[in-house]
Amino acid sequence: QSALTQPPSASGSPGQSVTISCAGTSSDVGGFNSVSWYQQHPGKAPKLMIYEVTKRPSGVPDRFSGSKSGNTASLTVSGLQAEDEADYYCTSYAGSNNLVFGGGTKLTVL
Amino acid sequence: VQLVESGGGLVQPGGSLRLSCKDSGFTFSSDWMSWVRQAPGKGLEWVAGINQDGGAKYYVDSVKGRFTISRDNAKNSLYLQMDSLRAEDTAVYYCARGMITVIDWGQGTLVTVSS
Repeated sequence: QSALTQPPSASGSPGQSVTISCAGTSSDVGGFNSVSWYQQHPGKAPKLMIYEVTKRPSGVPDRFSGSKSGNTASLTVSGLQAEDEADYYCTSYAGSNNLVFGGGTKLTVL
Repeated sequence: VQLVESGGGLVQPGGSLRLSCKDSGFTFSSDWMSWVRQAPGKGLEWVAGINQDGGAKYYVDSVKGRFTISRDNAKNSLYLQMDSLRAEDTAVYYCARGMITVIDWGQGTLVTVSS
């Protein structure tokens, strides 16, 4: 049950786009279309932003999008806004009824 | 806020604690439920999951044999019995709706394991 690999930090200026990667293996990210992304502001509970690799829950702006290539999933935030500054976590089903999270990426809006 | 946790606190190593989560919504009995924790300043870690009728329960390796997840659909409540607690179990524990995809989170309850 190894954690997925995310960059510890990412940044961009308002209006720009930023992409956060989530690297796994063929046993998790690459093996299932079950990647989700969560946004967490300091002191708050996480919030679901993307599920099943590319799907967006109701109420999540379409500036947020997800994708996957091989064993790596990605979250792209377009048109960065100040309120997007937060920690972002990816997660994937890893088979055998296990779920693994990434270590998290702190997104800074410059 | 639909999911409200309770039961956290300070406990000595080797001790026990029981967390509860009350769902004020209307879909509890139809939902997989999970517990996810976050150690201070660290990332999220899935701890345990349970299916709709409580017949299937799953755990991360580090808590197997020590933690027990359960639910009472008549009370719209989820529980986590934590025994043989260790310092590394110190974290905010979140009640979560879903397992593979967590669609809803509680605000969390802090568990501190320290002498």
